[in-house]
Amino acid sequence: DVKVTQSSRYLVKRTGEKVFLECVQDMDHENMFWYRQDPGLGLRLIYFSYDVKMKEKGDIPEGYSVSREKKERFSLILESASTNQTSMYLCASTTAGITDTQYFGPGTRLTVL
Amino acid sequence: DAKTTQPPSMDCAEGRAANLPCNHSTISGNEYVYWYRQIHSQGPQYIIHGLKNNETNEMASLIITEDRKSSTLILPHATLRDTAVYYCIVRAIQTGANNLFFGTGTRLTVIP
Repeated sequence: DVKVTQSSRYLVKRTGEKVFLECVQDMDHENMFWYRQDPGLGLRLIYFSYDVKMKEKGDIPEGYSVSREKKERFSLILESASTNQTSMYLCASTTAGITDTQYFGPGTRLTVL
Repeated sequence: DAKTTQPPSMDCAEGRAANLPCNHSTISGNEYVYWYRQIHSQGPQYIIHGLKNNETNEMASLIITEDRKSSTLILPHATLRDTAVYYCIVRAIQTGANNLFFGTGTRLTVIP
């Protein structure tokens, strides 16, 4: 089975702190994604990566950056956390194919105080 | 990607079939219909997808109308563990990474 793991299930940080969210997949997938999920808004794409060291902005990249130094690992960075970044963060991965399906991690619930 | 419309919530009795509708009247010829679900406090889980023909797997069946403007996800014998939010997504296959647009979905509650 494909496994996507995220470094923390719950995280509490203070405003202005630098926050790292780690995601690791074990199926040699090319593509990896970071979403945030908020009530009433569904999932919104922050950034995605289709190869090592490659990244593309999603719909809401402001306030975030990403890093993909190894194929299996995709990190989301909040340079200076703010309260409006309190959310559920979901990582996903997929192969690059015609009908690829996305496999999601369990999510990290981040609270910024 | 085409927008989808789903009812916000539905109930289903345990053991009965759950039929979840989705309207996608602006779907294009090259767009697939995908269904995912999200159980509380977990990441979304892929269920099934299709282009034109009806599809079935171990989890569910997907019925797509002939004009492709709507579809129905069928869980043949709903269990309490099927209580979740179900998302219908339509998207074209593109080169590079294919991100998904999740709407607000249908909250299915399976009642004992």
